Amino acid sequence: EPEVTQTPSHQVTQMGQEVILRCVPISNHLYFYWYRQILGQKVEFLVSFYNNEISEKSEIFDDQFSVERPDGSNFTLKIRSTKLEDSAMYFCASSVGKVIAGAYNEQFFGPGTRLTVL
Amino acid sequence: AQKVTQAQTEISVVEKEDVTLDCVYETRDTTYYLFWYKQPPSGELVFLIRRNSFDEQNEISGRYSWNFQKSTSSFNFTITASQVVDSAVYFCALSERISGNQFYFGTGTSLTVIP
Repeated sequence: EPEVTQTPSHQVTQMGQEVILRCVPISNHLYFYWYRQILGQKVEFLVSFYNNEISEKSEIFDDQFSVERPDGSNFTLKIRSTKLEDSAMYFCASSVGKVIAGAYNEQFFGPGTRLTVL
Repeated sequence: AQKVTQAQTEISVVEKEDVTLDCVYETRDTTYYLFWYKQPPSGELVFLIRRNSFDEQNEISGRYSWNFQKSTSSFNFTITASQVVDSAVYFCALSERISGNQFYFGTGTSLTVIP
């Protein structure tokens, strides 16, 4: 069964450093997403990406963050200068399409990357 | 305002008891989807069920059942004869057509099943 994969599973970095979180979405999916979950809190939407550009983004997704699809398979989230409060689990997800009447847009989530900023 | 409310923060039950996890949602859209995910201690999100706004039929899958009621904007999840392996955090989520693809998650209910 196809699945979303994420690497690394755990990343530890120093405050101020740049990190890149990697995701390989399901191959025939067109929409890609990043979510964040601070420890003990709910999962929060960061950004969605379609056709090589950002489709929607939340208030959390500020200039520190960027996303990219550098090749035909990877989807990355970059945090330019990490802060302590960026410590969280980051989930990548992908879906075939958007929510439209008569169809569904099940998002498949990856296993997450736990980012620890020291 | 919260789009998805899970009022129960933590629930503890004794093994073999039934337990219901509540989820109340808020949307102005007529086309939306509701989901339940399980998050075990290992941290991954495990998809359990999806329900669209046009289908109010309740669903049963083994020990799991879901009660979707548009009249009360609720999508409750019941585990029958709970087991220790059911211990996890359970998230309810909403996806609306009008707000694009993003999921709105509730704050989660932490379920502990005591042997």
